[in-house]
This record gives sequence, C-alpha cells and structure tokens, in this order.
Amino acid sequence: VQLQESGPGLVKPSETLSLTCTVSGDAINTYYWTWIRQPPGRGLEWIGHVYFSGTSKYNSSLKSRLTISVDTSRNQFSLRLTSVTAADTAVYFCARRCSAGTCPLDYWGRGTLVIVSS
Amino acid sequence: SYVLTQPPSVSVAPGKTATISCGGNNIGDKSVHWYQQKPDQAPVMVIFYDTDRPSGIPERFSGSNSGNTATLTISRVEAGDEADYYCQVWDSGSDLFVFGGGTTVTVL
Repeated sequence: VQLQESGPGLVKPSETLSLTCTVSGDAINTYYWTWIRQPPGRGLEWIGHVYFSGTSKYNSSLKSRLTISVDTSRNQFSLRLTSVTAADTAVYFCARRCSAGTCPLDYWGRGTLVIVSS
Repeated sequence: SYVLTQPPSVSVAPGKTATISCGGNNIGDKSVHWYQQKPDQAPVMVIFYDTDRPSGIPERFSGSNSGNTATLTISRVEAGDEADYYCQVWDSGSDLFVFGGGTTVTVL
C-alpha cells in the first residue's frame, strides 16, 4: 500500500489550500482515509478523516474551514481548507486507518510541505 | 477534549533502556498506538493496541498500558532509535483522534 500527497507547496493568505492523496496497492472503499499535519518544529495534529461512503469527521478547531472528500473512481481522497493563514503552514500527511475507531494509522504518505505566504 | 501528556525529551546511553510515558485520564481503558518519526520522514507505527508490534519492528520495542499511563519501552537502545515518538488514542466520547505532544529520544 502506498499513499502519495500532491498539491501546491505555496498558498497565499486568505486563499484555499487543496491537497490530494492518491492510494495505490489497495482499494479505497475499505478503510478510513485520514489527514494529519505537522507545523514546522511541532507535533502531529489530526485534521480529519473520510470513509469511502463520504462520511467524514473533522477536528473541531478546523471544522468551519475544512472539507475532506473521496473519489473512489480515482482511488483518491482530498482535503480543502479555506481562508488559510500562516498558522496553516505545515507538512500535511495522508494516512490509512481501518474501520474501527480504535484502529491505528498503519500506512502513511511521505508528506508534503505547504507554506502559507504572500 | 481528551489530552495526552508526554515528556518533551528523554536521553539514554547506548545499550540502556529508554522509557517514554503517555499520560491520560483512564488511558488504560483505551487502545494506545505509538509512532516513531525520524527527521524529515513520515511517522512509522512501532506499537499498536498497547503492546503489539508490527512486522519489521525490533523486539526491543515494547508497550504497556494501565491506569492513567501508557508506556513505550525501548531496550538496548541504539543510535538509530533517535527520533520523536508520539502516542495516539481514539477518544470515543468525541469520536476524535488524539496525539500526544511527542517525546524526543536522544542517544548520548
């Protein structure tokens, strides 16, 4: 199983950050697909996840700006974060989790750095 | 919201044992997972469901969980074990993932 994040590395303040995670080696319609981020020099922050059915759950601190969606035909899932600020600068990781809430994140992408700056 | 507390850093001599704690209210009732992150790399799961070890992870890595503290133990520490370690649980009350703040392990 491999996950690969893609998207712009630079986003202007107040604009929208959009990332895609492409899954290979596994069908997307079996697991929960998760986004995590890590600001420079800081710890991991769970952003949210989506199930293949489209059901999603978000970190309450980001919920008003966040959409996570899934495209089963392309074996991809995506993150969309609106009205970004410098505080959204981070390495963004995508990861896989099985369907039970207690499941760990067993496969991760390598991460992609997104800088919010004008 | 549920909070996980880890010490910021742990230092250990080669060949000795490193112990990393993860504190949380009644964490013993939850399933705890541990991740290792080396510089500029993605995290890698080293312990899942409190005590299980994924294939490819050395037996030197072990975990326990009871009461208000979960623990990751690294025996016979090697230079290659230098990394940040994060504990993680799922908070069923809020249906949210929670990470600890991370612990930097330094091999002296």
